[in-house]
Amino acid sequence: DAGVIQSPRHEVTEMGQEVTLRCKPISGHDYLFWYRQTMMRGLELLIYFNNNVPIDDSGMPEDRFSAKMPNASFSTLKIQPSEPRDSAVYFCASSLRGAGSYEQYFGPGTRLTVT
Amino acid sequence: AQSVAQPEDQVNVAEGNPLTVKCTYSVSGNPYLFWYVQYPNRGLQFLLKYITGDNLVKGSYGFEAEFNKSQTSFHLKKPSALVSDSALYFCAVRVGLTGGGNKLTFGTGTQLKVEL
Repeated sequence: DAGVIQSPRHEVTEMGQEVTLRCKPISGHDYLFWYRQTMMRGLELLIYFNNNVPIDDSGMPEDRFSAKMPNASFSTLKIQPSEPRDSAVYFCASSLRGAGSYEQYFGPGTRLTVT
Repeated sequence: AQSVAQPEDQVNVAEGNPLTVKCTYSVSGNPYLFWYVQYPNRGLQFLLKYITGDNLVKGSYGFEAEFNKSQTSFHLKKPSALVSDSALYFCAVRVGLTGGGNKLTFGTGTQLKVEL
C-alpha cells in the first residue's frame, strides 16, 4: 500500500495568493482528516470527512480556509487568500472504521510558507 | 470531553537504558488510546493502540505501553533505548466513543532525546 499521499511536499507563496493542498487517502478508508502543525499551536484538527461528507469543520480557522472531498480518493484544502500566519505543516490522515481499527494513518505533510 | 495529557515536554535518556514517556487520559467510558511517533520532517506514524484486553500492548520498533485504569495512564515504554528512537511522541484518545467517528484528540507531544 502506498500510504496517504500529499502534494505538493513544499509550497512557497506570496501573501494574498491562493494555495491548494491535495491528499489521496489509503484506498478503502472511509475517514479523512486535515491537520495543521506549528511550533506555537502544536497539532490542530481542521476538518474531517466521513464517506466524503464533512462532519466537523469547527477547527477551520477562518472563511479563507475551505476543504472538499469530491470522491473517496481525493481531497483538497484551499486557502484563499493566504497570509503569513498560515505558514505551517499541513497533514492529511485517513482511517477505517471497523472492529479493532480506528487508528489514523498520516501523510508526509505539506510544508507551506507564505511570505 | 475526552482528553490526554503528556506532562513532560522532553525526556532525556541514555542509550541502552529503559525509557518511559508518560500519558494520562480523561474520558467518559472505556478509552481507546494510541501512541504515535514523529521523526523530523515526517508525518506521524502509528506505534500501538489499546482498545480492550491485555493491559500491556506491544507495538512497532520494540515499544510497548501499559494501560492502567486506576491511574488513568497509558505510558509508553521500551526496555532499551536507541539513539534512533529520538523523536516527538504523541499520545491520543478516540473521541466519540458512543456516537461513532474516528476523531482522535492528541496530546501536546513529548520530545524524546536518547544520548550516547
